[in-house]
Amino acid sequence: AQSVTQLGSHVSVSEGALVLLRCNYSSSVPPYLFWYVQYPNQGLQLLLKYTTGATLVKGINGFEAEFKKSETSFHLTKPSAHMSDAAEYFCAVSAAGGFKTIFGAGTRLFVKA
Amino acid sequence: DTAVSQTPKYLVTQMGNDKSIKCEQNLGHDTMYWYKQDSKKFLKIMFSYNNKELIINETVPNRFSPKSPDKAHLNLHINSLELGDSAVYFCASSLSGGRGSSTDTQYFGPGTRLTVL
Repeated sequence: AQSVTQLGSHVSVSEGALVLLRCNYSSSVPPYLFWYVQYPNQGLQLLLKYTTGATLVKGINGFEAEFKKSETSFHLTKPSAHMSDAAEYFCAVSAAGGFKTIFGAGTRLFVKA
Repeated sequence: DTAVSQTPKYLVTQMGNDKSIKCEQNLGHDTMYWYKQDSKKFLKIMFSYNNKELIINETVPNRFSPKSPDKAHLNLHINSLELGDSAVYFCASSLSGGRGSSTDTQYFGPGTRLTVL
C-alpha cells in the first residue's frame, strides 16, 4: 500500500523568499514520485517527477525536489518565490506494476508582495 | 489544440437527475482516468481505462458508470444524483504503453464543476 502526507495545508511566503513544500511518502516498493500544480479553476499539470536515477530532480518554473529514501521524503523547493507561483501543489506517489497514483491532500501556496 | 477537454465546464442540476460528463483527449494516449476533487481539494481516483478496458474501479457507488467508446474518449454517467456528488470532476490521460506505466505523467482536463441542488 502507498500513501502520501503533505505537511501543511497552507504555506505563505514573501515574494523572493525560499519556497519549501513538504511531502513524505510510504511505499512497500520503490516509489515513483510526482509534484503537480493546480492554478485556480484549472486542472493539474506536472511540475516534476522522480522515477529512477538522480535523486535531485529539476522541474518547470524553477522548482526542484530531492528524493531522500532514508527520510521517505520528496520536498519541493524554489529559491525565490514569484507571485505567479501562488497555487495548490500536490505530491503524488505510484509504483512499478500499478496503475493507481495516490495524491496527497495538497498544499496551498500563498505569495505575499 | 486542447490536449484533454471536458464538457460541460459547469453543471448545475437537481437531486435525482441523471447527467453525463464527456472527456476527450487528442494526445494519442492509451489510458484515461476520472478523478473527483472535493471541496477541500482532496483528489481521489474513481476509474481508469486502458485501451477501452476498465483497469481501476475504486469504491464508487454504482450510480457512477464510465463508458469508453474508443481510446480517445472516456465519459462519466451519473444516475440519481445526490447532494454529496457535488464536486469538481477531472478527466486525465497518460501514455501507458502496454498494460500501463506508473512513471507516466498524467495530463488533466480543466475540470467539470458539478453542483447538485
